[in-house]
Amino acid sequence: DTAVSQTPKYLVTQMGNDKSIKCEQNLGHDTMYWYKQDSKKFLKIMFSYNNKELIINETVPNRFSPKSPDKAHLNLHINSLELGDSAVYFCASSPGHSGNTIYFGEGSWLTVV
Amino acid sequence: GDSVTQMEGPVTLSEEAFLTINCTYTATGYPSLFWYVQYPGEGLQLLLKATKADDKGSNKGFEATYRKETTSFHLEKGSVQVSDSAVYFCALFPGSARQLTFGSGTQLTVLP
Repeated sequence: DTAVSQTPKYLVTQMGNDKSIKCEQNLGHDTMYWYKQDSKKFLKIMFSYNNKELIINETVPNRFSPKSPDKAHLNLHINSLELGDSAVYFCASSPGHSGNTIYFGEGSWLTVV
Repeated sequence: GDSVTQMEGPVTLSEEAFLTINCTYTATGYPSLFWYVQYPGEGLQLLLKATKADDKGSNKGFEATYRKETTSFHLEKGSVQVSDSAVYFCALFPGSARQLTFGSGTQLTVLP
């Protein structure tokens, strides 16, 4: 049973396209996140949602739009993809903000050509 | 703001060698501290955690102790294996920003 699952795992697409990455968690957690890992392995938060409400929105281009239809899902939509968007995107979830563990999905490897 | 500083990599060791990866942090309040591991081509897995000062987290032979006086959470293993080759991330949560703040990661390669 996968706790945090994201699809697709691999995505190769051309510049200018629009793509989405889906994420679902079956842990009953209230909070979900999107992190971006660059080519140097550095991890940076992009968004955080708590009970479908956006609570963290770091400085990312507005081409990136998260959507949370319910608290078990947090999808990431990217418009007008650019070469610099190539990265690994990780979805994650936690019970809340109190220091409980954050659980990660397996990552989505996005390559923009 | 919150920050996590890890020792620079890459680190290359022979099998059965002793491992230490240093991690220090700055944060307001009393965050929990974590080590995550990322094996090649895979996602992030929680390796161990500690939620308060003097707690020791341990898993798979790895250990780390939450040292409030030195603001450190160094990762240690007495005898590494080739299968331990991975990138290791130190992190704190929630901190003032209510998010998991990562260090830059340390690449470990263990040679047979």
